[in-house]
Amino acid sequence: GAGVSQSPSNKVTEKGKDVELRCDPISGHTALYWYRQSLGQGLEFLIYFQGNSAPDKSGLPSDRFSAERTGGSVSTLTIQRTQQEDSAVYLCASSLSRSYEQYFGPGTRLTVT
Amino acid sequence: RKEVEQDPGPFNVPEGATVAFNCTYSNSASQSFFWYRQDCRKEPKLLMSVYSSGNEDGRFTAQLNRASQYISLLIRDSKLSDSATYLCVVNTRITSGTYKYIFGTGTRLKVLA
Repeated sequence: GAGVSQSPSNKVTEKGKDVELRCDPISGHTALYWYRQSLGQGLEFLIYFQGNSAPDKSGLPSDRFSAERTGGSVSTLTIQRTQQEDSAVYLCASSLSRSYEQYFGPGTRLTVT
Repeated sequence: RKEVEQDPGPFNVPEGATVAFNCTYSNSASQSFFWYRQDCRKEPKLLMSVYSSGNEDGRFTAQLNRASQYISLLIRDSKLSDSATYLCVVNTRITSGTYKYIFGTGTRLKVLA
């Protein structure tokens, strides 16, 4: 079946602009996660959605970052007033439920110039 | 102390060798464990879950030692295509409704011809 998809695959933006990154999880997966990974570094947790529960936003690095998940499916991560340090690969993952293995999308490579 | 620790490597091994990685975790309440593989500039892909009794998938064997709080991954008969970074993932139940996945920073493996 279809895996996790993300769009765009690459995004180059100017410092100060807002960007939106999209994630389509695997159908039927109730849990959805956003991570970011800088070059040569480990995964940094950003936010987690589980069904209709309030999201766990504990990993968001600043109030410039926000995310929503509409209809329990597609999620959008928004970064406002982008900074150069926001440059990274943003990865989305979904899982059947909260204790199951996660499946990752191919990521969005964000470059802030 | 980090919640999940891995030796970053790199482990350089010849083709056909057997290689093992360990990953230690600090929270004794951790419940589920996974190994992921990440190729350069790609997303992490699930390699295998780790079960209490240990499990094998072809040339790969995973084990869990709850008493000492570590998991291991053994790769037999290494292939060039096994060259990648191996991520240890630990899932811990925080409250009755909240789980937390912690990713290790990965162990780099390079299999040499």
